Amino acid sequence: SQQGEEDPQALSIQEGENATMNCSYKTSINNLQWYRQNSGRGLVHLILIRSNEREKHSGRLRVTLDTSKKSSSLLITASRAADTASYFCATGLSEGAQKLVFGQGTRLTINP
Amino acid sequence: NAGVTQTPKFQVLKTGQSMTLQCAQDMNHEYMSWYRQDPGMGLRLIHYSVGAGITDQGEVPNGYNVSRSTTEDFPLRLLSAAPSQTSVYFCASSYGSPGLTKSYNEQFFGPGTRLTVL
Repeated sequence: SQQGEEDPQALSIQEGENATMNCSYKTSINNLQWYRQNSGRGLVHLILIRSNEREKHSGRLRVTLDTSKKSSSLLITASRAADTASYFCATGLSEGAQKLVFGQGTRLTINP
Repeated sequence: NAGVTQTPKFQVLKTGQSMTLQCAQDMNHEYMSWYRQDPGMGLRLIHYSVGAGITDQGEVPNGYNVSRSTTEDFPLRLLSAAPSQTSVYFCASSYGSPGLTKSYNEQFFGPGTRLTVL
């Protein structure tokens, strides 16, 4: 079973609205990372949050981490058409720090 | 810097053929990895390397071999291609192992190789 489970699997919103994606995981982590993938392209790193951090911001992105609930959320504010992409969470495990385990992703569509 | 480069971009093989997917990075990264991505799924780790001469298996290593003779290059070999290996393959690199707490372990990804096995 997947270490990272993302919710929702697909999200469609109007330009200018906020988009929230959630990620849950099963085992202890050292960090959690979010990546974006545009159609047919490689993944691009967005933000990394460490296990001892609760919230992190980068531009229009806000990431929260709740280690007690083993969950994280990615908020994109004031969405733009260019934000249309798939978003993946990935966990850096405490046991086996050499591996990064990806979730199945959320497909975000921003409608003009 | 070119970043992470992968060749070829597209490849069609027949069942039983072998081939090598190339990956190179020019960022002096110690950590390199190979993932495969199947439709509607996230990435699954095939093999990884924490430095030249050191490789290890990921989640789905069967049917694949790797070697790391230099810091820059990390080729992935398909020994005897099977239709189940039809996928998009991504190579990635980072300064250190991604699960460590240091903040500079973000993964840099190549553009991918789309492989079809008939």
